[in-house]
Amino acid sequence: DAKTTQPNSMESNEEEPVHLPCNHSTISGTDYIHWYRQLPSQGPEYVIHGLTSNVNNRMASLAIAEDRKSSTLILHRATLRDAAVYYCILRTAYNNNDMRFGAGTRLTVKP
Amino acid sequence: EAQVTQNPRYLITVTGKKLTVTCSQNMNHEYMSWYRQDPGLGLRQIYYSMNVEVTDKGDVPEGYKVSRKEKRNFPLILESPSPNQTSLYFCASRSGSRGNTIYFGEGSWLTVV
Repeated sequence: DAKTTQPNSMESNEEEPVHLPCNHSTISGTDYIHWYRQLPSQGPEYVIHGLTSNVNNRMASLAIAEDRKSSTLILHRATLRDAAVYYCILRTAYNNNDMRFGAGTRLTVKP
Repeated sequence: EAQVTQNPRYLITVTGKKLTVTCSQNMNHEYMSWYRQDPGLGLRQIYYSMNVEVTDKGDVPEGYKVSRKEKRNFPLILESPSPNQTSLYFCASRSGSRGNTIYFGEGSWLTVV
């Protein structure tokens, strides 16, 4: 199974950009890259996803490396409400169990 | 409104007393899954289901059972709960397309004493 690797934790200052990295060196050509986040005491929520091209939405941007072996979730101006655990997962074409999550990256935002 | 509903949200029970945590989704999703979350361990998958009558083990299935008799429901059964099953449990669902969003329930806090 294609796996992802993320740092355990990161810190950011409020109103500064945050770049959350994810490595997925064994990604296959049809795997989608998804990001979710989990706020304290809540279930995870969808943030963004992409296949090959960079993606933007109201929450964040997703930058995907040209070789697709890594990606970066970008929060353009971190707020205190962005403090959460961020999960990068692959939706793999050849394994129907593509709802597996790792430990994620715990983002702390300092005022 | 798209929803995954879990019940109960909070439960304290005793060792060995069978319990069921229900999960229901209103989006006609094929895929459903159960997770447990413990401090420092992230989300670990217990069981998943690709459709009615199709279930399979996740990463930590020991001590749990599931069933999928109807598309909308995916209950998690603890036949004989033990204290190491004290955890926060999440149910999730998604549709068949790989690009689609996974929806999570609000979580069920379970304490086994």
